[in-house]
Amino acid sequence: AQKITQTQPGMFVQEKEAVTLDCTYDTSDPSYGLFWYKQPSSGEMIFLIYQGSYDQQNATEGRYSLNFQKARKSANLVISASQLGDSAMYFCAMREGGRGFKTIFGAGTRLFVKA
Amino acid sequence: GAVVSQHPSRVICKSGTSVKIECRSLDFQATTMFWYRQFPKQSLMLMATSNEGSKATYEQGVEKDKFLINHASLTLSTLTVTSAHPEDSSFYICSGTSQNTGELFFGEGSRLTVL
Repeated sequence: AQKITQTQPGMFVQEKEAVTLDCTYDTSDPSYGLFWYKQPSSGEMIFLIYQGSYDQQNATEGRYSLNFQKARKSANLVISASQLGDSAMYFCAMREGGRGFKTIFGAGTRLFVKA
Repeated sequence: GAVVSQHPSRVICKSGTSVKIECRSLDFQATTMFWYRQFPKQSLMLMATSNEGSKATYEQGVEKDKFLINHASLTLSTLTVTSAHPEDSSFYICSGTSQNTGELFFGEGSRLTVL
């Protein structure tokens, strides 16, 4: 069975500094995708970044980068130059197999950015 | 990214009544849609996977007779909470998978309050 673990219930970061949000996963499927989503207080789910299990390079999207360590089964999200608007819940998610396969989510990490 | 529209965004109903939540993919065809439930300050829990034209696949512990899911077309899936009770009060979020890219797009969510 697939499993996603986020061990940090909450994180604080100073504005303009970088922060790493941890995520580990467990799956026996060689083909899977890893996602990070941001959920502000409004409740909407905002897609941030995607990493495929066969991707050779770590994914990057603007200030977001995914530190993918396949052997360790970790997919940490790095946010550089934190902004006040980055304060939100962050969820790591995994989808096994093909496009129609279900995506499960970790428990989430609440990020607080301090001015 | 693609747009998934979810309606209503908020609904309050009396105990014992049924509530229908609609999820529409506005600019892509979603062969598969997923329904999630989120309790306050918790993660998204997958309830069921619905495939266009076939019966939904429910996760363990989710009552299929209580949470009726219909996916009659490639752009519309509905979740009906039947005989709602206060414990069904939650945030329900749908998501659709694009046929072309496999990316997951989320609706805005529906907050259900059962009195």
